[in-house]
Amino acid sequence: GEQVEQLPSILRVQEGSSASINCTYENSASNYFPWYKQEPGENPKLIIDIRSNMERKQTQGLIVLLDKKAKRFSLHITDTQPGDSAMYFCAASSGGSNAKLTFGKGTKLSVKS
Amino acid sequence: EAAVTQSPRNKVAVTGGKVTLSCNQTNNHNNMYWYRQDTGHGLRLIHYSYGAGSTEKGDIPDGYKASRPSQENFSLILELATPSQTSVYFCASGDWGDQDTQYFGPGTRLLVL
Repeated sequence: GEQVEQLPSILRVQEGSSASINCTYENSASNYFPWYKQEPGENPKLIIDIRSNMERKQTQGLIVLLDKKAKRFSLHITDTQPGDSAMYFCAASSGGSNAKLTFGKGTKLSVKS
Repeated sequence: EAAVTQSPRNKVAVTGGKVTLSCNQTNNHNNMYWYRQDTGHGLRLIHYSYGAGSTEKGDIPDGYKASRPSQENFSLILELATPSQTSVYFCASGDWGDQDTQYFGPGTRLLVL
């Protein structure tokens, strides 16, 4: 099966700075990489995803990079705000009708004002 | 966004008792999933289903059964609950294809005494 490693587990940044979370995966057949944000007491919500036919995707202050050769993908949050404080999870899947997501263990991001 | 509901939202059970967690989705998704979330472990897949009548073992199926009687409903069953099954359980639904997105329910907090 797939294994996804996520680092760091805890990340503290100053408001207005950038935050970066890195994930690696093992299965070279993985082709779909979503990122979820989870606030305390809430369910995980998809914030951005990238497929293997792309190297970079950007939306509303979020940037995702994918390096297929290194089997590594990362989330970059620019101009962080206190509202960005949450748990973030990366995941990987080989796609297709029988695929399933394997999640990293999560990163707790704290943005200090 | 897809509508996924779970019941009960909170449950206290006794060791050795039977627990059934229910999930309902109203978006006609083929695939449904049960995860548990524990600190330090992220989201781990217990069982999943590709459609009515089908269930598949996930990464940590021991001690759990699943049932998918219809497109809309997916249940997780703990025949003999143990304290180690104390956790937050999330149901999710989705379809693989252009979106590949999984939508999560609000979660069920289970305490086994």
